Parts: sequence; C-alpha cells; structure tokens
Amino acid sequence: DGGITQSPKYLFRKEGQNVTLSCEQNLNHDAMYWYRQDPGQGLRLIYYSQIVNDFQKGDIAEGYSVSREKKESFPLTVTSAQKNPTAFYLCASRGGGAGYGYTFGSGTRLTVV
Amino acid sequence: GEDVEQSLFLSVREGDSSVINCTYTDSSSTYLYWYKQEPGAGLQLLTYIFSNMDMKQDQRLTVLLNKKDKHLSLRIADTQTGDSAIYFCAASRTNDYKLSFGAGTTVTVRA
Repeated sequence: DGGITQSPKYLFRKEGQNVTLSCEQNLNHDAMYWYRQDPGQGLRLIYYSQIVNDFQKGDIAEGYSVSREKKESFPLTVTSAQKNPTAFYLCASRGGGAGYGYTFGSGTRLTVV
Repeated sequence: GEDVEQSLFLSVREGDSSVINCTYTDSSSTYLYWYKQEPGAGLQLLTYIFSNMDMKQDQRLTVLLNKKDKHLSLRIADTQTGDSAIYFCAASRTNDYKLSFGAGTTVTVRA
C-alpha cells in the first residue's frame, strides 16, 4: 500500500544535540512538507520541497534543516539552534498538482530531556 | 498569505449533528479541505470542495461553501463517539503548492 512513513514515532533529545526525523513516501509525489504542531496552535510550516534537490523555507525554518536528494525521502534535522524543539512533527506529500490534498504521515513526537 | 480561522472547541451530544465553521481571507482560494486528526496521529483528508461548488455531500458529511462571505462549514450527521477528534480547515489557490491551515476545532462527543 502506498503511503508516508515517519520514524521514529517517539524521539528524545538531549539539549545541544542534533536529531534527524525520517520521512519516506512511496506515492511518487513530487511535493513534500514538514509541519510542526503545538497544542492549540495548529500546523506551522517548517520547510517544503516541490522537486528533488530543491526546497524552500516555510514560516518557522530557523533551527531546522532539510535535504531532498531522492524523490521518496525528505528528512528533517532539528539542530541545537532550535531553542524549543519539543513538539509533534508531521510530514506530508502532495501529488497530482493543485486540487489534491496532502497525504500525511503518522507523526514523530520529539521531546527534549 | 492566506489566513484561515476556526473556532477552537465544539461539544456535541451523540446522535446530534455537528457543524464546524471556518472562514478564510483569500478570495482566490480555489480548493478547500477538511482534515481529521485523532489523538497522536497524522491528519486524514475527509473531504474537499472546489470553489465553483456550493455544497458537497459524502455519506454523513456535508460541506457548504459561501464564497461571498468566504465561509466554509462541515456538518457531520448522527455524530458518533468515533467522530471525537480535531478537525482542520485548509485552503489553497490554483498552482500554489502550499495549503494554509486553520488552528483546528476540537470536537468532543458526549453520551
């Protein structure tokens, strides 16, 4: 079955460490996205990529980095520069052009310990 | 950019209808979506409507769109306990790869 896989489901990070969240899709979608979700704040866009080897900053890119070396993969690194990284992170993809909604992964919950 | 607003909470009795409201600011929004998020999970696309439509019905779900007022609503008939979740409204424009999301409406179904 096609879909998006995020791993791990839970991640714990010590202060000062970088961590990488995985997002893999087998839907052959061109566009991929990373969102951060905090309670009561909805979804905030971190980075997005429309094609391989290209990506753009979203609304809250500071302290995060991404790469898009393969169509299927869009990993997100949370760096030590991100001062408040504890959140629920959602990856999504979109295919078929405008009019098609996002397909979301099941999310990764990152906690700083 | 597009602003999408929703009320934050809705409590409904089991068996009643739920109505979740959403407003958006960009009159050129072409596609409007409703997503459902259950606790600890990702978002699931429930339904969508194109801006040239006024209404769309899909089983228990009815979407109403008032383009003049830029108002979108989702009605859930015969609300069940499994409908308890956060519901997100989202909007996008033609040729725009990004969706703008509302803050989400938490729906609680009580017995």
